[in-house]
Amino acid sequence: EAQVTQNPRYLITVTGKKLTVTCSQNMNHEYMSWYRQDPGLGLRQIYYSMNVEVTDKGDVPEGYKVSRKEKRNFPLILESPSPNQTSLYFCASSLLAGQETQYFGPGTRLLVL
Amino acid sequence: GENVEQHPSTLSVQEGDSAVIKCTYSDSASNYFPWYKQELGKRPQLIIDIRSNVGEKKDQRIAVTLNKTAKHFSLHITETQPEDSAVYFCAASKISNFGNEKLTFGTGTRLTIIP
Repeated sequence: EAQVTQNPRYLITVTGKKLTVTCSQNMNHEYMSWYRQDPGLGLRQIYYSMNVEVTDKGDVPEGYKVSRKEKRNFPLILESPSPNQTSLYFCASSLLAGQETQYFGPGTRLLVL
Repeated sequence: GENVEQHPSTLSVQEGDSAVIKCTYSDSASNYFPWYKQELGKRPQLIIDIRSNVGEKKDQRIAVTLNKTAKHFSLHITETQPEDSAVYFCAASKISNFGNEKLTFGTGTRLTIIP
C-alpha cells in the first residue's frame, strides 16, 4: 500500500532532550516536507527536500534540523526541544517538487514540558 | 516571502446550500494553488488544485476559481452535505530565487454543515 508513515505518533518529552521524528514514504517520491500545525496558524512549512541531499528551509525552520540521506526517509530532528515546539507535525511527500499532490503522513503529536 | 490569507475562519451553512471560501496571496510569481481538506483527527488531503494558466476548474460539487490580476482564488462547494464538514486549507507555491519550491498555506476555514 502506497503511504507515508511517521513515528512516533505521540510523544511527551522534556525541554532539552533531543528527539527524532521519522518519516518514510514508499512511493519513490522525490519531494518531501515537514509541517507543523497549530490552532489558528494553519500548516507552516518547516523544511523541505527536493531530492536526496537537497534540503531547504521553509517558513519556520528555527530549532529544527533535517537530513535526506536516502530518497524514502526524511527525519525531523529537534536538538534541544522547547515548549514552543509543542505542536502537531506532519510529514508529506509528492512525486515531484511542489506542484503535485502532496500525500501527508498521519501526524505526530508532540508535547514538550 | 509569500503570504496567504484565508477567509472566513469559520463558516456554517445549511445542508444543500453552497459554501465559498476565499484566499488571497501576495506573490504574483505563485503559479500553483491547491486546496486541502482535513477531517477531524485526520491528515490533510488534496481535494482540488488549479494552475495559473487556468481560470476555473470543477470536479463534481467542488470548483476553484483564480483571479491572477487580483491575486485571489476561491473554493466553491455546491449542494453541501454533512460529510463536507471539515477544515479546508488553501495554499500557494512558486519557484523561489534558488529554483526550489515552497508551499505556503492559509490559516484554514472550519466548515460546518447544519443538517
